[in-house]
Amino acid sequence: DAKTTQPPSMDCAEGRAANLPCNHSTISGNEYVYWYRQIHSQGPQYIIHGLKNNETNEMASLIITEDRKSSTLILPHATLRDTAVYYCIVRVRGNKLVFGAGTILRVKS
Amino acid sequence: DGGITQSPKYLFRKEGQNVTLSCEQNLNHDAMYWYRQDPGQGLRLIYYSQIVNDFQKGDIAEGYSVSREKKESFPLTVTSAQKNPTAFYLCASRNRGERGYTFGSGTRLTVV
Repeated sequence: DAKTTQPPSMDCAEGRAANLPCNHSTISGNEYVYWYRQIHSQGPQYIIHGLKNNETNEMASLIITEDRKSSTLILPHATLRDTAVYYCIVRVRGNKLVFGAGTILRVKS
Repeated sequence: DGGITQSPKYLFRKEGQNVTLSCEQNLNHDAMYWYRQDPGQGLRLIYYSQIVNDFQKGDIAEGYSVSREKKESFPLTVTSAQKNPTAFYLCASRNRGERGYTFGSGTRLTVV
């Protein structure tokens, strides 16, 4: 079973920040949170991951709450090409990624 | 360029036939994974291998088999025992210490 819950869909205006929430209330202390996105019929693309500190890279920022029970992926300036399914994933023991259903992000002009 | 190659992109088979999906990586990654994706759903883990000549069942291994004779190759066989084989199959790899898992572009299998 997936260890994360996400809203099924979200809309965002082009050029604005997209904030995608994720709940992972049962996460263990050594389990990482990963974010991937998938454009239709392609392989998932890595975005970012973190354990307990906030992280930022060229694509996005990841904000993890202090209790680690939830996180938010931030795309600072969404473009039409960011329209995709976004997966918040916990990496469990055995280095396995457990996927949920994800959030469909629609960026609109 | 380094990456993961899955072939073919589309595959059609008759019901009752076994079929093997190819996954090759030139990233020198130790671990490789097979996932299945059904329409509108997330990925589910079929099998994974952390090192050559070793592999473990994932959450939905029934009706599938794998081998890991070479580090760069992790083929998946969909057997006739798999009740609903039509799906999108994704292969991934990972190396210890690297930032994430690299996915292939997938194989869409249709059984008729």
